[in-house]
Amino acid sequence: QVQLVQSGAEVKKPGASVKVSCKASGYRFTDYYMHWVRHAPGQGLEWMGRINAKTGVTGYSQDVQGRVTMTRDTSISTAYMDLSSLRSDDTAVYYCARGSDRYDAFDFWGQGTMVTVSS
Amino acid sequence: DIQMTQSPSSLSASVGDRVTITCRASQSVGIYLNWYQQKPGMAPTLLIYGTSILQGGVPSRFSGSGSGTDFTLTISSLQPEDFATYYCQQSVLTPTRTFGQGTRLEIK
Repeated sequence: QVQLVQSGAEVKKPGASVKVSCKASGYRFTDYYMHWVRHAPGQGLEWMGRINAKTGVTGYSQDVQGRVTMTRDTSISTAYMDLSSLRSDDTAVYYCARGSDRYDAFDFWGQGTMVTVSS
Repeated sequence: DIQMTQSPSSLSASVGDRVTITCRASQSVGIYLNWYQQKPGMAPTLLIYGTSILQGGVPSRFSGSGSGTDFTLTISSLQPEDFATYYCQQSVLTPTRTFGQGTRLEIK
């Protein structure tokens, strides 16, 4: 069965960087895009970007462009999201989600990683 | 960028009620419109993709309709497990995948 397992919670200071991992299993990793979505407290879902797991080509939201880098390691079926210059409003739960081949809907999600930015 | 606007932002309803949530796109998305359900402390789950196609395992009381800029999610008879927040999402614009702001469905 398809599973996306994310790394554990992080606490960071303003200005630092955080790297969240997402290990995929149960399907061919390189056949699908991996997206990253965040959910800040009291807010809605925010799409951050995606990576083509086969080619490594990325596309990012303008809201985080310049601070976010998405990469993948196909040898271990793992995607990564690196966010730099952290601010307090980056405090959120970060999710990876697989983009399906049906209207690119997100059919499987990771369990989420809480990132807290606090001095 | 395409903006997605849901209404209402919150809704109180009772078990057994019929509920409709609307989603409007700032420009046409064809039928590239998906719906998700999120319960507190949990990851979202896919309910409907391509406007009206139920994801496997989703009960038939959920349905979706629309095209272009106006879409609806309908729950025909609310069950206790349906109280959650619902999000629409467009998937026509590459690479951006915009979500609506969410509709919180609460028990009356």
